[in-house]
Parts: sequence; C-alpha cells; structure tokens
Amino acid sequence: AQSVTQPDIHITVSEGASLELRCNYSYGATPYLFWYVQSPGQGLQLLLKYFSGDTLVQGIKGFEAEFKRSQSSFNLRKPSVHWSDAAEYFCAVANMEYGNKLVFGAGTILRVKS
Amino acid sequence: ETGVTQTPRHLVMGMTNKKSLKCEQHLGHNAMYWYKQSAKKPLELMFVYSLEERVENNSVPSRFSPECPNSSHLFLHLHTLQPEDSALYLCASSQDFRAGGHDEQFFGPGTRLTVL
Repeated sequence: AQSVTQPDIHITVSEGASLELRCNYSYGATPYLFWYVQSPGQGLQLLLKYFSGDTLVQGIKGFEAEFKRSQSSFNLRKPSVHWSDAAEYFCAVANMEYGNKLVFGAGTILRVKS
Repeated sequence: ETGVTQTPRHLVMGMTNKKSLKCEQHLGHNAMYWYKQSAKKPLELMFVYSLEERVENNSVPSRFSPECPNSSHLFLHLHTLQPEDSALYLCASSQDFRAGGHDEQFFGPGTRLTVL
C-alpha cells in the first residue's frame, strides 16, 4: 500500500526566514503529489500539485515544491515565511493503481515567531 | 454560499443518540467524499460518492451511514457512536472522481464531533 511520511510533527520558524517541510512517499511508479494547508477551524486548501513534467512546481501564497524521484520526496518550500502561514500542512499522494484515492501524511504544524 | 459548506460546525452527542451531518457543495461537482480527521492521525477516507452512487466504502463501521440524495448534498447519519469516533469530519467534492489525480478536491470546514 502507498503511504506518506511527514517526519516533522512541529516546525517553528521566524517570520521572514525560509521554510522547508519534508514529505516522503512510498510507491514505485510516479504518483500524483499534493500539498494542502489547513488553518484552525478550516478545511483543507490545495497549495500545489505535481502530475508530470517540470519537477519544480509553483503554488499559491508563494509556495513551491520539488519532486525528487530518487529520494521519493516532495518537499514544500517558501523563501520568506509570513505570520499568516502558521497552519498545519499535509502532503498527499494518489496513483491509478490505488484508484486515485488521496492518501495523506499525518501533517506538520508550522508555528511562526515574530 | 460558495464552495463546500458543512453543518453543524460542532456537535456533541451521547452514545445512544442519532444525529446527522450535512454537506453541501455549490461548485457543480459530481463527486463527494467523507473524511475523518483524528488527532495525530492522517486523514482517513470514509466514503466516496460519484454521481450519487457510492463507489468507495473503506471498511467503515455500520454506525456511520452515508446518504447522497443528489450531487450537491451529502449526509452522514450517526447512530450508537463510541467515544473513539470523536473527530473532525470533513466533506470534500471534486469534478469527477474517475479523473483520478487530476481531479482537485475542495474541502468544507468540517464538523467537530464529540461523543460522550
């Protein structure tokens, strides 16, 4: 079965600092990869997605992610974090062999300190 | 209303109660989903409906009963729940479940359920 690992449960960064959230998936073929963000009391919002092509994907709110097949990773990055980025971030994977259902990681909570 | 709405936002119920969660999507989508989000656990897909037909049931206990009367509405009927069922229940919709990974899911804000 496919799975998604987000090794960091919590991350704290200073406002204006750069951010990288890690995501690793287990599956042999190229999956579809996603990052979602969830603010307190809200549902999930899609930040970006990767299907094929350019391995560096741009998303909303200044986020980007890079697909690295050799490392089975899809890490999320932002060059300069804003206080409003404090939220929980979820990596997810889907692929046709498993009916294209989304499988989510456990999430990483981002805290931003001023 | 726009997007995906869920009511109620918060629900407290006893183990012998019967209640229902409601989800409505205003996006013209054909697929709707129920997810369970428990503390410190990944989101769990519970049910998927495509064109009002249930296409996925991930071994969910029968005390959870979904209903999809039309492509815009999805219900989750709750009966004889257990305290471990306390969680955030998220509804989502997408244009076409069978389009697979290209099919973006839009999520509602969730219903925070507490079972006493």
